[in-house]
Amino acid sequence: DGGITQSPKYLFRKEGQNVTLSCEQNLNHDAMYWYRQDPGQGLRLIYYSQIVNDFQKGDIAEGYSVSREKKESFPLTVTSAQKNPTAFYLCASSIDMDRGRDEQYFGPGTRLTVT
Amino acid sequence: GDSVTQMEGPVTLSEEAFLTINCTYTATGYPSLFWYVQYPGEGLQLLLKATKADDKGSNKGFEATYRKETTSFHLEKGSVQVSDSAVYFCALSDLRGSTLGRLYFGRGTQLTVWP
Repeated sequence: DGGITQSPKYLFRKEGQNVTLSCEQNLNHDAMYWYRQDPGQGLRLIYYSQIVNDFQKGDIAEGYSVSREKKESFPLTVTSAQKNPTAFYLCASSIDMDRGRDEQYFGPGTRLTVT
Repeated sequence: GDSVTQMEGPVTLSEEAFLTINCTYTATGYPSLFWYVQYPGEGLQLLLKATKADDKGSNKGFEATYRKETTSFHLEKGSVQVSDSAVYFCALSDLRGSTLGRLYFGRGTQLTVWP
């Protein structure tokens, strides 16, 4: 079955540590996205990538980094510079970013808790 | 800039009641419009979409019509079930702006259906 996998489902880290969240898709989609979800705030875009080896900052990129070395993988690193990293992180992908092919498919999410 | 405004929740209904969740948007171009649903602890699932004015998206008994004159995309269902309890997100994708193809989400509306 095609889909998006995120691992792990729950992640715990100490303050000051960097942590990398995994996102893999086997849908053969060109575009991939990372969102952060906090209670009552909807989804906020962190980074997105339209194609391999290219990515752009979203609305809240500070304290995060990404890479896109393979089409199917788009890992997100939450660095120690992120002031409030505890949140639910969602990865998504779409065929590309053109009309009619821009609907996004989401992974199950990773809940990160930093203490 | 582009944005989506959803009616605030929570919305609480009895089983078989009629559901409306209001969504209005602001966009500089000609957006595609989406409704996503999120069940507790999970990622988002695409519920329905519309890509041009007067289009009606429908799925699982839910419907929404793209109204350009009122810049709205209200979600409706004639008879809700307990299993419809979830958070619903309205979103738009504007393909004519500088932020090509990215989604803008509303804050989400929590729906609870009681038996």
